[in-house]
Amino acid sequence: AQKVTQAQTEISVVEKEDVTLDCVYETRDTTYYLFWYKQPPSGELVFLIRRNSFDEQNEISGRYSWNFQKSTSSFNFTITASQVVDSAVYFCALSEVSTGGFKTIFGAGTRLFVKA
Amino acid sequence: GAVVSQHPSWVICKSGTSVKIECRSLDFQATTMFWYRQFPKQSLMLMATSNEGSKATYEQGVEKDKFLINHASLTLSTLTVTSAHPEDSSFYICSARGSEINYNSPLHFGNGTRLTVT
Repeated sequence: AQKVTQAQTEISVVEKEDVTLDCVYETRDTTYYLFWYKQPPSGELVFLIRRNSFDEQNEISGRYSWNFQKSTSSFNFTITASQVVDSAVYFCALSEVSTGGFKTIFGAGTRLFVKA
Repeated sequence: GAVVSQHPSWVICKSGTSVKIECRSLDFQATTMFWYRQFPKQSLMLMATSNEGSKATYEQGVEKDKFLINHASLTLSTLTVTSAHPEDSSFYICSARGSEINYNSPLHFGNGTRLTVT
């Protein structure tokens, strides 16, 4: 069965600090996809990144970077020089090829507070 | 990018009544739509998967007679909460995949519907 664990329930940082959000997943599939989504206070979900199980290359997009390590089943997300606008709930998610129906399962989410 | 429109954004209804929530894909054909439920400060819990023209597949523990899902066209899926009770109050979010059906496709989410049952 697939499972996504985000152990950090809430994180509070001061603006300009770097912050890393952890994500650990469980899957029996060799082919799977990992995602990060952002949910600001307004409620909508914003897609941030997708990574497939065959691509362990880390990615950087502006202040965001992702570290995917299959050996530890982790897909961590780092925000550099955090800003108040980064305050939101961040969800890590997993899609398995074998489940069919293309289901995406979400972790519990990490609520990030960035103080000015 | 792909747009998914969900309506209404919020609704208040009396206990015992039914509420219909619509999810439309505006610029692509959504062969598969997903309905999620989110309680305050909790994660998104998948309720059901619907494929156009066929019956929805419900997750374990979700009452299919209470949460009726219809996916009659490639651009519209509806969720009807029947005989709503206060415990059904929640944030309901739909999402859709395009016809390319790639596992690596990100979900396109609607903006959600906040349901309050009084």
